[in-house]
Amino acid sequence: DAGVIQSPRHEVTEMGQEVTLRCKPISGHNSLFWYRQTMMRGLELLIYFNNNVPIDDSGMPEDRFSAKMPNASFSTLKIQPSEPRDSAVYFCASSFGTSSDTQYFGPGTRLTVL
Amino acid sequence: ILNVEQSPQSLHVQEGDSTNFTCSFPSSNFYALHWYRWETAKSPEALFVMTLNGDEKKKGQISATLNTKEGYSYLYIKGSQPEDSATYLCASPTGSARQLTFGSGTQLTVLP
Repeated sequence: DAGVIQSPRHEVTEMGQEVTLRCKPISGHNSLFWYRQTMMRGLELLIYFNNNVPIDDSGMPEDRFSAKMPNASFSTLKIQPSEPRDSAVYFCASSFGTSSDTQYFGPGTRLTVL
Repeated sequence: ILNVEQSPQSLHVQEGDSTNFTCSFPSSNFYALHWYRWETAKSPEALFVMTLNGDEKKKGQISATLNTKEGYSYLYIKGSQPEDSATYLCASPTGSARQLTFGSGTQLTVLP
């Protein structure tokens, strides 16, 4: 298995632009997570899907952030409009069962908003 | 303990030294405790998942113990090597959805 796949690996954009991050979880995994890593706050959970349904989005910073999981093999995290404070590494992770099972992380997308 | 907390925040040891660090978590409604290893510029990798009080897991020179009654876990590294340098994260399912809550990590640097 290729593991969790994320794209792009790096994204540089200007303030105000729309950014879409993509994730393909490990085949057969039922749960998918989006995390953001910053120096100030460490690794924070943004949103968690189980069987393609958002279960907990309390970590989503504000309305500029949205996430979708149209099917079991694909999820997107969208930021519109982007701001410099959104600059961070965004990780996607998946797990076989519930949120308490071992999570397998993708390589991350490093986002820089100028 | 309301959150998952780790100490120390960072640690420098000499090659060959043994070391350990702590993870504290809410002991009420305990479900599981995870340890992850996170190397710089990479993504976190799972080390252990522990569920039973008194559980002890081992992977090479790395081992972990669990005390669910008092809400702590220790991670031990015997004979540290420079390649053990990484941030070690622990996490426990909390909240109504039992999502994994991560500690802030212990950053270990093993000096050659």
